[in-house]
Amino acid sequence: ETGVTQTPRHLVMGMTNKKSLKCEQHLGHNAMYWYKQSAKKPLELMFVYSLEERVENNSVPSRFSPECPNSSHLFLHLHTLQPEDSALYLCASSQDPAAADTQYFGPGTRLTVL
Amino acid sequence: GQQLNQSPQSMFIQEGEDVSMNCTSSSIFNTWLWYKQDPGEGPVLLIALYKAGELTSNGRLTAQFGITRKDSFLNISASIPSDVGIYFCASLGGAQKLVFGQGTRLTINP
Repeated sequence: ETGVTQTPRHLVMGMTNKKSLKCEQHLGHNAMYWYKQSAKKPLELMFVYSLEERVENNSVPSRFSPECPNSSHLFLHLHTLQPEDSALYLCASSQDPAAADTQYFGPGTRLTVL
Repeated sequence: GQQLNQSPQSMFIQEGEDVSMNCTSSSIFNTWLWYKQDPGEGPVLLIALYKAGELTSNGRLTAQFGITRKDSFLNISASIPSDVGIYFCASLGGAQKLVFGQGTRLTINP
């Protein structure tokens, strides 16, 4: 069992919709991450949070808005997305950002933007 | 930026065969990681390497950290159906951010 859960597992939305992805980690970690995985491209780091503070924003468009209300939960709020935003969105956690080499990944949310 | 070039992109093998894949970069890294991603799941860490020249095994998997610190390989011996999936190399880039290769998709014919 992964210890990192993500909901929903699949999401289809129109370009004018607003939706949110949720991630929860049960590992007692202090750092959480959002990644984007597109077909035939390497995983791309989007955001890093440490103790609920954003420590990295990897030039992500403002239509993606992260939120970390506590060290166990991470959200990714989506609005006015484009079809090219369709991808698998992965959440991960680690003990802290310095332990980025031991990240545990969730199963991902498969997002389709119509 | 830092990039990892992983090859081959895909492999089609018979059950029982050995598998070898590698990852190269023009940059020097101090850490090499190998992940496996099953369909519908997130990546899972298989092996972590922290020292140039290091050779580490995890069951039928063996990985090595190249002595130039610019490459790494992963071998799988006597492949079985559950080895199917996508294998990623990764390393720690600047500011402790993970940089990933493009992945090697492994398909096994029974």
